[in-house]
Amino acid sequence: EDKVVQSPLSLVVHEGDTVTLNCSYEVTNFRSLLWYKQEKKAPTFLFMLTSSGIEKKSGRLSSILDKKELFSILNITATQTGDSAVYLCAVVLIQGAQKLVFGQGTRLTINP
Amino acid sequence: DSGVTQTPKHLITATGQRVTLRCSPRSGDLSVYWYQQSLDQGLQFLIQYYNGEERAKGNILERFSAQQFPDLHSELNLSSLELGDSALYFCASSLGQGSSYEQYFGPGTRLTVT
Repeated sequence: EDKVVQSPLSLVVHEGDTVTLNCSYEVTNFRSLLWYKQEKKAPTFLFMLTSSGIEKKSGRLSSILDKKELFSILNITATQTGDSAVYLCAVVLIQGAQKLVFGQGTRLTINP
Repeated sequence: DSGVTQTPKHLITATGQRVTLRCSPRSGDLSVYWYQQSLDQGLQFLIQYYNGEERAKGNILERFSAQQFPDLHSELNLSSLELGDSALYFCASSLGQGSSYEQYFGPGTRLTVT
């Protein structure tokens, strides 16, 4: 069974801290890995990772994929209260057609 | 605002009933995806359509069906509703059908089955 596991499930830090969110997967026919941020409403896209070892960066957020060890991390530096959200990791599989499997999410709370 | 619209925003109905959720993708997007998000199951991929044809199927129950129309809007039909079907249903759209295309999510329809 295809599985995506995120850790920690919940994290509370102070503003200015750096956080690392983890996503590990056990799937067949891996194609790519996606990170989303979900606040009160719909998920918004952050990154898509396809190749191992290539860091993707957007402002204070960065992410990298390790296809040998089957995991990805999402780093957020100098956190702000606006970073509080649920961060979702999803793996895209190709099984004839495309399929997405999501992790449970990490609920990140940034306290001022 | 992602450009993806979903109606209705909220829906309250009784067990055994049938409902239809509607999604209009972003202008120019050909793919539509449906997801279910519940507290205990997290976000689950249901089904994908590309230019009117079914392209991928996830954890979609037989009581659920979907279609994409020539104008590219999509509908998700849920029948014989059960209490466990209460969830937030998201639609997302993308330009193409492959994994290299970013998906944009709509605001969701919150379904409550009583």
